[in-house]
Amino acid sequence: NAGVTQTPKFQVLKTGQSMTLQCAQDMNHNSMYWYRQDPGMGLRLIYYSASEGTTDKGEVPNGYNVSRLNKREFSLRLESAAPSQTSVYFCASRLSLGENTEAFFGQGTRLTVV
Amino acid sequence: DAKTTQPTSMDCAEGRAANLPCNHSTISGNEYVYWYRQIHSQGPQYIIHGLKNNETNEMASLIITEDRKSSTLILPHATLRDTAVYYCIGTGTASKLTFGTGTRLQVTL
Repeated sequence: NAGVTQTPKFQVLKTGQSMTLQCAQDMNHNSMYWYRQDPGMGLRLIYYSASEGTTDKGEVPNGYNVSRLNKREFSLRLESAAPSQTSVYFCASRLSLGENTEAFFGQGTRLTVV
Repeated sequence: DAKTTQPTSMDCAEGRAANLPCNHSTISGNEYVYWYRQIHSQGPQYIIHGLKNNETNEMASLIITEDRKSSTLILPHATLRDTAVYYCIGTGTASKLTFGTGTRLQVTL
């Protein structure tokens, strides 16, 4: 049981390049999340998806787009990368948005924009 | 969304209990309190959660005050492997799991 899998684990981009971060979960969860974590900081929510077919903005959505491809997969796209987007990105999934369920996190994608 | 306040850092001797406090005075009546930890730069790991009653699992105990304005995470016998950043979070509107900056727990010999 792999849980939440993120690809790639590391990526270096040049300013202005685009890329998509992939996230897949095999726990049949309905809700999925994307966070970013800057050095010495807590996690900040970028986007989340309550269920297949829905997405909503979090605290810091500017510069990102997401796609809930199906129940398993939730991708994060940077259309034109900027140095300010250098960060560690975490994907998480949860059975539902209901209060009594815990979230499971992937191991992160470390992105550097030069 | 509930705003949580935690000390920036704490130390604990190995083998002793680590008691990590959290204030969440704005928590709503149906909002759970969750605890996660992050070791090095790995993905956060779920520890425990609760609503009103105290909770215990194989990792930790969670003590929630009767007025629900604060809680304490207890690691009964801390080890070096428990050195991590511990986050107390309220699930908030639409259960978005909003993280703060957490408490950096250093377990020492």
